[in-house]
Amino acid sequence: EVQLVESGGGLAKPGGSLRLSCAASGFNFSIYSMNWVRQAPGKGLEWVSFINSISSHTFYTDSVKGRFTISRDNAKRSLYLHMNSLRAEDTAIYYCARLVAVGIDYWGPGTPVTVAS
Amino acid sequence: ETTLTQSPAFMSATPGDKVNISCKASQDIDDDLNWYQQKPGQAAIFIIQEASTLVPGTPPRFSGSGYGTDFSLTINDIESGDAAYYFCLQHDNFPYTFGQGTKLEIK
Repeated sequence: EVQLVESGGGLAKPGGSLRLSCAASGFNFSIYSMNWVRQAPGKGLEWVSFINSISSHTFYTDSVKGRFTISRDNAKRSLYLHMNSLRAEDTAIYYCARLVAVGIDYWGPGTPVTVAS
Repeated sequence: ETTLTQSPAFMSATPGDKVNISCKASQDIDDDLNWYQQKPGQAAIFIIQEASTLVPGTPPRFSGSGYGTDFSLTINDIESGDAAYYFCLQHDNFPYTFGQGTKLEIK
C-alpha cells in the first residue's frame, strides 16, 4: 500500500525556518517525481515545488523561490522541504504528493505550518 | 498558467440525490483533468483521471465528463460517506493548478 506521511510542521516566527519531511512507503520511491502542495486557510490548493526522481530538476512557485528548497534522499525514501525566511502567507497545510504521467496519484494527509509572532 | 474555476464552493445533498460539480479551465487542457476526494485529516484520494476514467477502486456512482475547458464530476445515488471536499487538478501544463474545491455536505 502506497503511503506518504508528512512531518515537521508547527509554529514558526516570521523570518524563521522549518524543515518538512515526507516518509514514503509501499512503492519504489526512487523512480518517482515528487511534489509539495499547500493549502492556506480558506483557500484552494497551491502547487509549491517539484523534484524529479534523481534530483536533477527542481521547480518552485514564484512566491517561494529563493526561500524554500526541495530535496530528497532516495536511500531513506524521504522527501524534504526546507523553508527559510518564513512569512505569514506561508501558513498552510503542506502536502507531499507523488507525480505520475496522469498527474498526482497519491497524497499524504498533510502537516500544518503556522507562521506567526 | 491555467486557472480552474470550480463551482459550487459548497453544496448540501440528501442520500439518494445526484450532484454535479463543475470545473472550468481558462484555456484548452484537452482531457488532462483529475478529480480528488478529501475527508478532514485524511489524504486526498484520486477518484477520476483524464476527465472521465474512474481510478480503480472508485465506486461506479462517480463519473466524470468534459473536454477542453468544461468538466464536471457527477455523483449518483449519494451516500453519507460521500461527505467530503472535492477538487479538480489540471496537469496539461506546468505549474499544475487546482480548482478552489467543493465541500459536499450530506443532510
